[in-house]
Amino acid sequence: GAVVSQHPSWVICKSGTSVKIECRSLDFQATTMFWYRQFPKQSLMLMATSNEGSKATYEQGVEKDKFLINHASLTLSTLTVTSAHPEDSSFYICSARGIGQGAKDYGYTFGSGTRLTVV
Amino acid sequence: KNEVEQSPQNLTAQEGEFITINCSYSVGISALHWLQQHPGGGIVSLFMLSSGKKKHGRLIATINIQEKHSSLHITASHPRDSAVYICAVNTGTASKLTFGTGTRLQVTL
Repeated sequence: GAVVSQHPSWVICKSGTSVKIECRSLDFQATTMFWYRQFPKQSLMLMATSNEGSKATYEQGVEKDKFLINHASLTLSTLTVTSAHPEDSSFYICSARGIGQGAKDYGYTFGSGTRLTVV
Repeated sequence: KNEVEQSPQNLTAQEGEFITINCSYSVGISALHWLQQHPGGGIVSLFMLSSGKKKHGRLIATINIQEKHSSLHITASHPRDSAVYICAVNTGTASKLTFGTGTRLQVTL
């Protein structure tokens, strides 16, 4: 079935540094990628939607200069948290919709998530 | 009021019990999804429904479009079913999902 590989699964970084999170679709073409963050025991919060080759569409209240999203190819999307601060500590997860033989008919395939801790 | 409401918020069951989780929505939808989030955080898509009923193993999902209601059933529950179950909908032609608050299920021996 369709798989989205997300790396790293956890990362600890110093305040002020940048962290890049990658999501790769392994057997289908991810035409649309969604990036979410989730605080403990809360719902997923959509940060942005990106279509391959286009600029990402950010949700209200999400700083596009802080959370840089790149979707340069149909199999790779990245989220870079720039100048990270402790309040950026959260669980980040991607979800892809795609096409191709491997694309699930469920519609969405999620990565395994990245737990970011900024110290 | 949230556009997608789930009940119960928390559910504890003994192994072998039949479990039902409910989802009601107040908007027009093109599809409804049931997702499972494991304690480690990973999310698995269980079902996508636009009408009727789907079954996969011990899981059954139903939707009633007129009543704007869906149910997820788990037969012969097992401790490994312990997870958060999330109902989500596509509204109209939108590709992004609107999520319910989730139901935390704990199945004990």
